[in-house]
Amino acid sequence: EDQVTQSPEALRLQEGESSSLNCSYTVSGLRGLFWYRQDPGKGPEFLFTLYSAGEEKEKERLKATLTKKESFLHITAPKPEDSATYLCAVQVRNQGGKLIFGQGTELSVKP
Amino acid sequence: DTGVSQNPRHKITKRGQNVTFRCDPISEHNRLYWYRQTLGQGPEFLTYFQNEAQLEKSRLLSDRFSAERPKGSFSTLEIQRTEQGDSAMYLCASSQTAGTGDPTGELFFGEGSRLTVL
Repeated sequence: EDQVTQSPEALRLQEGESSSLNCSYTVSGLRGLFWYRQDPGKGPEFLFTLYSAGEEKEKERLKATLTKKESFLHITAPKPEDSATYLCAVQVRNQGGKLIFGQGTELSVKP
Repeated sequence: DTGVSQNPRHKITKRGQNVTFRCDPISEHNRLYWYRQTLGQGPEFLTYFQNEAQLEKSRLLSDRFSAERPKGSFSTLEIQRTEQGDSAMYLCASSQTAGTGDPTGELFFGEGSRLTVL
């Protein structure tokens, strides 16, 4: 069964304290892996797409990386406005375009 | 581009009543997805359309759930005989397939319709 697991479930950081979020996946054939950000009461907002192992994408303080079994979202010198839930999702080959999401990591950055 | 619009934003209903949610996708997008999200969980796939054709329905979608996308524009999700377990955020998302026809994983989500069943 295709599965996505994120850890930790919640992460509290001080402003400026860098860390990483993990997304482990088990799928029959990966088409792509995606990171989204979700603020409370809002829909998810797209951040990154990764297609192959070794690929990296960056946006401001965020950097996403991909291996054959997992992806990391590195947050460098986070600010309070980075507080949100970060969702990882996979798209599986030959299964249409649906995304299978992990349960998310709730990030809180304190000033 | 006004983004994906969902209505109503909040719905409180009594068990056994029917409810309908509407989603207006980004106008040029040919794909439309419905997801359900409960507190502390990631979105769960329910169904999706390409233009007006419903191409896949999740096993999560019982017979009480029905979705339509007439003319390939807006979509409705109806839940009949609601149960307390239906309480959740119902998210709609849209996307445009690539020139090759391959689906993109870059979905544009609406702000959701929150359902509370008493």
